[in-house]
Amino acid sequence: EIVLTQSPGTLSLSPGTRATLSCRASQTVSSSYLAWYQQKPGQAPRLLIYGASSRATGIPDRFSGSGSGTDFTLTISRLEPEDFAVYFCHQYGGSPLHTFGGGTKVEIK
Amino acid sequence: QVQLVQSGAEVKKPGASVKVSCKTSGYTFTSYYLHWLRQAPGQGLEWVGIIDPTGGSTTFAQKFQGRVSMTRDTSTRTVSMELSSLRSDDSAVYYCARANVLMAFDYWGQGTLVTVSA
Repeated sequence: EIVLTQSPGTLSLSPGTRATLSCRASQTVSSSYLAWYQQKPGQAPRLLIYGASSRATGIPDRFSGSGSGTDFTLTISRLEPEDFAVYFCHQYGGSPLHTFGGGTKVEIK
Repeated sequence: QVQLVQSGAEVKKPGASVKVSCKTSGYTFTSYYLHWLRQAPGQGLEWVGIIDPTGGSTTFAQKFQGRVSMTRDTSTRTVSMELSSLRSDDSAVYYCARANVLMAFDYWGQGTLVTVSA
């Protein structure tokens, strides 16, 4: 099983600042199959980034993804009030076919 | 627009079965695989399995094999997941989700809360 470890667990930041979220895989992940999601309380996850760096439809350009191999990063260049949420990384491949990181909560400082 | 609408919340006793449905619209039903995932309260996401709406073939996470089944009805554009021999740790929100060509989940149902309690 490919285990995804996200850090930090919680990120306390002020609106307008930059957020950098990390996702580390226990084995090499194809960049094509690494995605990031945002989830707010009581809502389903929302796809932000797929293929490690491609923004999903309608996602603002303050969200960007990068990385390869076992280390991937989600960056939010300037936090807006609506960006405070939990973020998950996700990979496809191996067994089980899909695994997720434990999440990073971005909270208002 | 693409929509996935799930059936309502369920409360079941341990040992029972639950069936959750997901009705789709706004795209060609047979062009995208559909997945089921779950999220226990305050926890992360867990993949349950996948169904090919074209032929109905399925693949499940090993953890759920023997306890889960998935079906589809092309006439109503609906997929369903049934989980049997329920335990308290099956209590979770269950989601259906559509995967794009790069296996990212681009559209999600609203979620169905399944509570297993004696």
